[in-house]
Amino acid sequence: EAEVAQSPRYKITEKSQAVAFWCDPISGHATLYWYRQILGQGPELLVQFQDESVVDDSQLPKDRFSAERLKGVDSTLKIQPAELGDSAMYLCASSLRETAGYEQYFGPGTRLTVT
Amino acid sequence: AQSVTQLDSHVSVSEGTPVLLRCNYSSSYSPSLFWYVQHPNKGLQLLLKYTSAATLVKGINGFEAEFKKSETSFHLTKPSAHMSDAAEYFCVVRPSGYSSASKIIFGSGTRLSIRP
Repeated sequence: EAEVAQSPRYKITEKSQAVAFWCDPISGHATLYWYRQILGQGPELLVQFQDESVVDDSQLPKDRFSAERLKGVDSTLKIQPAELGDSAMYLCASSLRETAGYEQYFGPGTRLTVT
Repeated sequence: AQSVTQLDSHVSVSEGTPVLLRCNYSSSYSPSLFWYVQHPNKGLQLLLKYTSAATLVKGINGFEAEFKKSETSFHLTKPSAHMSDAAEYFCVVRPSGYSSASKIIFGSGTRLSIRP
């Protein structure tokens, strides 16, 4: 069964350093999402792509976070500089279409610890 | 604006007894509603979804949920709990159509514990 791939699975970094996460969605899925999940809370949408275009990044802290999906396939989420409050699980998901009824498939996530 | 409220942060039931996880939503548009499960160290998995078809939705692992528009609820139930059901459950709302006002919203989660 096709899966969403994410790497790394775990990342420990010092504050003020740069960190990047990678996501490879299920083949053929046009829509890609990045979420942040703080321990004990539900995931919060950071950015949504439709093919290579950003359709929603209203919750992305743009002073330090950036995301790209250059060829409309895999995607990278970057944080620079990292802050202590960025410690969380970063989840990537994909769906066939962005229409409301389409299921999102989630990757295993990247757990970030900022020290 | 839309929102989703999971009424219980933690539910504990005995194995073999019914499970009820409560979810209320608020949406300006006709919503699609989902329940996802998250086991420790695993990705989120879809349990079931409502997309304006039948109001009683059956999902995987014996779970089902009923969409009640008058009560703005989408509670998750299972007749008989199994130890493997212990996990975190998230209710998700997404209004139909798409605009800057129709974001995907996750609830804060309900942790389900199963007592032997």
